[in-house]
Amino acid sequence: QSALTQPASVSGSPGQSITISCTGTISDIGDYNYVSWYQQHPGKAPKLIIYDVSNRPSGISNRFSGSKAGNTASLTISGLQAEDEADYYCSSYTKYSTLVFGGGTKLTVL
Amino acid sequence: EVQLVESGGGLVQPGGSLRLSCSASEFTFSRYPMYWVRQAPGKGLEYVSAISDDGGTTFYADSVKGRFTISRDNSKNTLYLQMSSLRADDTAVYYCVKPPFRLLSYAFHIWGQGTMVIVSS
Repeated sequence: QSALTQPASVSGSPGQSITISCTGTISDIGDYNYVSWYQQHPGKAPKLIIYDVSNRPSGISNRFSGSKAGNTASLTISGLQAEDEADYYCSSYTKYSTLVFGGGTKLTVL
Repeated sequence: EVQLVESGGGLVQPGGSLRLSCSASEFTFSRYPMYWVRQAPGKGLEYVSAISDDGGTTFYADSVKGRFTISRDNSKNTLYLQMSSLRADDTAVYYCVKPPFRLLSYAFHIWGQGTMVIVSS
């Protein structure tokens, strides 16, 4: 149950698009369409922004989108805004009937 | 509004035990599997445990297997996490989490505010 691999940090300017990758294995991301993404602001509980690879919960902006190719999932944020500055985590279901998170990515809006 | 409220956190000595509770409201608690997720200070999120809607099936991360026990009382709309043989690396905020759907739902949708557990002598 090794953690999924995410870049430690990414940055972008307002209005730009950024993509955060999340790399797993055939035992998790590669074999299941149960990848989810979370946004966490300092001192707050995480917030679900993408589930089942590419679905957005009600109330989540369509600036957030998700995709998957092989063992790697991606979160894209378009039209970057200052309020998007936060930590982002990916998660996947695994063949061990558990879930695993990525290490997290700090997004800085320049 | 769906709400999850955790309680039971606190300071405990290494090797000690603690029971966390999570009170759920504004949804049919007995129809949903539930999760515990934790976050050590300044660190990332870590899946801890899951339980089926009827409590009959449970899952654990390797890091807590054999030491933690998840359970639920559907008559009280309450989720529990019994923690024993606690170690310093169990220090974290523990979140109770509801998935988005009842079935085949492997995401963490509604989060509680979290309860802090500190394991220290």
